[in-house]
Amino acid sequence: GDSVTQMEGPVTLSEEAFLTINCTYTATGYPSLFWYVQYPGEGLQLLLKATKADDKGSNKGFEATYRKETTSFHLEKGSVQVSDSAVYFCALIPNAGGTSYGKLTFGQGTILTVHP
Amino acid sequence: KAGVTQTPRYLIKTRGQQVTLSCSPISGHRSVSWYQQTPGQGLQFLFEYFSETQRNKGNFPGRFSGRQFSNSRSEMNVSTLELGDSALYLCASSFPGDDTQYFGPGTRLTVL
Repeated sequence: GDSVTQMEGPVTLSEEAFLTINCTYTATGYPSLFWYVQYPGEGLQLLLKATKADDKGSNKGFEATYRKETTSFHLEKGSVQVSDSAVYFCALIPNAGGTSYGKLTFGQGTILTVHP
Repeated sequence: KAGVTQTPRYLIKTRGQQVTLSCSPISGHRSVSWYQQTPGQGLQFLFEYFSETQRNKGNFPGRFSGRQFSNSRSEMNVSTLELGDSALYLCASSFPGDDTQYFGPGTRLTVL
């Protein structure tokens, strides 16, 4: 079945440090890939997405590139801020209909803490 | 445009009771998916509705059910609550033909 694996957390960084959160996936075909962010006490916010190989999703300084050859979708940001502290989820949804309708498969989440 | 709304935001119930949670999707969105989030199991898919039809279902017991109305609003129901049902329940909506899901703030259910 489909699965998403995120790097072990938590991740603790100083402000302005470079961020990478690794994400690899297993899926048939060509899934759409997403990064969501969850702040304490809130739901999930869409951070970025990519729908085909070599697509780069970007938003608020975050970027991730859909790598079909390595089945990866690593999240990066050049300079993190204290306000980026949150839990980050990598997710996929297959483009196959049927039992994939509306079903996002999530990684376990990575807690990011940024210190001033 | 208003986002996905969920009511209530917090619920406290006792074992054996039942509960109904409500989700109003973004205007124009017709697909609604439900997820359960717990510290131990993470985010797990419950079911998805489109045009009042359940198209997909996750691996949850029959105590978990849902429905969707003609205005795309959706409800989920959990009967005979168990302690393990304590979780954050999230709904998400998407526009026809777009697999991007937008989430509501969730309903925090505590079962005592």
